Amino acid sequence: DADVTQTPRNRITKTGKRIMLECSQTKGHDRMYWYRQDPGLGLRLIYYSFDVKDINKGEISDGYSVSRQAQAKFSLSLESAIPNQTALYFCATSDLAEQFFGPGTRLTVL
Amino acid sequence: GENVEQHPSTLSVQEGDSAVIKCTYSDSASNYFPWYKQELGKGPQLIIDIRSNVGEKKDQRIAVTLNKTAKHFSLHITETQPEDSAVYFCAATAYSSASKIIFGSGTRLSIRP
Repeated sequence: DADVTQTPRNRITKTGKRIMLECSQTKGHDRMYWYRQDPGLGLRLIYYSFDVKDINKGEISDGYSVSRQAQAKFSLSLESAIPNQTALYFCATSDLAEQFFGPGTRLTVL
Repeated sequence: GENVEQHPSTLSVQEGDSAVIKCTYSDSASNYFPWYKQELGKGPQLIIDIRSNVGEKKDQRIAVTLNKTAKHFSLHITETQPEDSAVYFCAATAYSSASKIIFGSGTRLSIRP
């Protein structure tokens, strides 16, 4: 079984809808991350969490929120989706520096 | 702020030839430089990394070099094979505080048969 799983893998939604992307990991890591990937822009950090009680904004947190429900679970929410949030979203975990990525969620906002 | 620039954005090489991808970083505190490979439909996966106390590291057909003075580091793939086709990302961070690992914008490598 995969160490980092993301659900859903694909999602199409409409402008203004609330969306939640979920991430689970079995690596036992305390640190979890949410990234957004756009063509030509690499991976940009949205939010990160060092433990259940720790949540930090990344470089592009506007329009997003997160919840760390447990050590193994970290969810990303778009309260009111807009078209420019159409992208590929990745969850990752890390122990120290090496990051382990999930398979990604492709989100399309119409 | 911290920045990592990666070049080229696309690279096409003949199978068997070598490929080189270059990155520069801006944060002097960075001391850990990983390279990730992203295959189609998958998340990035670490393929090699280097810390600032060494100038070169090699693992079979891939090698990474680091020039800390110039803030440059590069990925070298020799004897390229079709399975090397992917998107490659460089990154930089301070190993002791991996909160903000900064990624380059990626290089799409294609291997021509």
